[in-house]
Amino acid sequence: GQQLNQSPQSMFIQEGEDVSMNCTSSSIFNTWLWYKQDPGEGPVLLIALYKAGELTSNGRLTAQFGITRKDSFLNISASIPSDVGIYFCAGRSRIRGSNYKLTFGKGTLLTVNP
Amino acid sequence: GAVVSQHPSWVICKSGTSVKIECRSLDFQATTMFWYRQFPKQSLMLMATSNEGSKATYEQGVEKDKFLINHASLTLSTLTVTSAHPEDSSFYICSAREFDGRPPYFGPGTRLTVT
Repeated sequence: GQQLNQSPQSMFIQEGEDVSMNCTSSSIFNTWLWYKQDPGEGPVLLIALYKAGELTSNGRLTAQFGITRKDSFLNISASIPSDVGIYFCAGRSRIRGSNYKLTFGKGTLLTVNP
Repeated sequence: GAVVSQHPSWVICKSGTSVKIECRSLDFQATTMFWYRQFPKQSLMLMATSNEGSKATYEQGVEKDKFLINHASLTLSTLTVTSAHPEDSSFYICSAREFDGRPPYFGPGTRLTVT
């Protein structure tokens, strides 16, 4: 089946630093999504990308849909303590009858030191 | 934004009993709902996809007789873990899709502990 390679697995940074994480796949995706999950809660959608090459921002977050449609990155600028959590990438491939089935990366655990 | 709720938020049950988890879309009609399982420090694994009024589609390796899914209305889907065992202890998360083209919204999850 489809697999997403997400890196890094974890990051420990100082408040104010910028952060970058990415996902790569051996398969093409039509949609890339980035979620954040806090402990004991469900994922919350941060950014959705629908077209190859698309660059989208949401406040301090910026994400891009790779030209090859096999990768995506997420950048967080000027990190703050509340950015702590697990960030997941997810891809959707338009398989007939797939019902918007998502494939998730393994996640990036972000720790921000105040 | 759209809100998805789950009930209960956590449950402890004894081995051999059954547990039902509800997933509701509070302010939209969900034509499709998804059930995921997440073990500690791991990613979300899709268990099954359910469309309102039809049988759920289970992912490979997920026992449909053990994890019963019902999607009787456009706002409610239930997951019943039958004859639960300690290895079924996990974080169960549902998501609901409003209409095609938009990403699904996730519920807050249900922590199941089987003793």
